Order: sequence, then C-alpha cells, then structure tokens
Amino acid sequence: AQKVTQAQTEISVVEKEDVTLDCVYETRDTTYYLFWYKQPPSGELVFLIRRNSFDEQNEISGRYSWNFQKSTSSFNFTITASQVVDSAVYFCALTSGQGAQKLVFGQGTRLTINP
Amino acid sequence: EAGVAQSPRYKIIEKRQSVAFWCNPISGHATLYWYQQILGQGPKLLIQFQNNGVVDDSQLPKDRFSAERLKGVDSTLKIQPAKLEDSAVYLCASSLAEGRINYGYTFGSGTRLTVV
Repeated sequence: AQKVTQAQTEISVVEKEDVTLDCVYETRDTTYYLFWYKQPPSGELVFLIRRNSFDEQNEISGRYSWNFQKSTSSFNFTITASQVVDSAVYFCALTSGQGAQKLVFGQGTRLTINP
Repeated sequence: EAGVAQSPRYKIIEKRQSVAFWCNPISGHATLYWYQQILGQGPKLLIQFQNNGVVDDSQLPKDRFSAERLKGVDSTLKIQPAKLEDSAVYLCASSLAEGRINYGYTFGSGTRLTVV
C-alpha cells in the first residue's frame, strides 16, 4: 500500500523566514515518483516538482529546494526567504509502479506567510 | 498545449438531486483520473480510466456515483442522488506514461460542488 504523511497541518511564519515542509512516504515498489503541488486559494493544483526513485540528487529552483532521502523515506520541501505569495496549501504526492498509476496525496500543509 | 478542461466551475444543488461533471483531458493522454477533494483534505482518487476502460474504481461509491469515458477521450462523472457529504471539489487529471516512465499529471481547475 502507498501512503504519504505530512505531519505539519499548518505553519505560519513571518516574511523572509525560511520554512521547511515535511513529507514522509511509504511504498513497497522500487520504482516510484514523488511530487509536490501548490494549491493557492483559487483552488487549482500547481505542479512544483517531480522526482523519480532512482534520482536522489537534491534540487534547487530559485527560492525552492527539495531534499530527497530514501534512507528515511522523506522528500522535504524548503522555501528560502519566504514571501506572502507563497501562502497556500502544499501537497506531497506519490505514485509507484510502472506506467500510469494513481497519485496518492498527503493531507497537505497550510502555509501562511505574514508580512 | 491546452490544459485539462472541466465544467461547470461551480454547482449548487439540493440533496437527493443529481449532478454531472465533464472533463476533457489533454490530447493524447490515455489515462484520466477523477479525484474528490473534501475541504481540508488531500485529493482522493475516485476512478481511473485507461483509454475507455476502468483501471481502478475501488474508492468510488457505486451506489450513487458513476463515471464513463466513451471513445477514450472526454469523461463524465455523475452523482445521483447527492448527499450533503458529497460537497467537495471534483478534480479531473490526465497523464502520459510510456513503459516505466511516468511523465506526470495535469489537473483541471476543478468543479466545486455544494450540496444543501
């Protein structure tokens, strides 16, 4: 069975602080993909990153960075120098197995950046 | 490329009424998904289609929900009769995969259903 746990329900920080969103996953498959999505108040799911299980390199994209650690089954997301526009609900998601498989989401973390 | 199209954007119905949602996936995407997102929760898969065949409908409340994907392109999700707990956002997504490689998912803007 596949499972994604985002233990942080809500996080609130002041603008310009760094913030890390945690994601722990469970799967028995050796081939899997991990995703992060942003859901702003408008409701659409905005794709942020896709990472496959064979690539453990960390990734940085502007103020965003992701730390993938297979040893702890974690795929954490850090926002550096947060901005008010980063306020949203963030979802970590997992799909495993080969080909087109369903995406299993965590419960989400609501991030509020205060000015 | 055009995204995943969904309609309507919003719908308000009374309990025990019926409602239908429509989704048109990205051209060429063989796999289509319907997700239900209840307020404060992550999206949960209702049904997955591969072309016009059902791959996974284990979480679909089949006594009231039905879905079809005729001709393997667009899809319709129906609820009849609706209950108060069906109030949620219904998200449609499509994906492209070749062999072992999953190229990711594209989500529509969703239909926000309110049952009163």
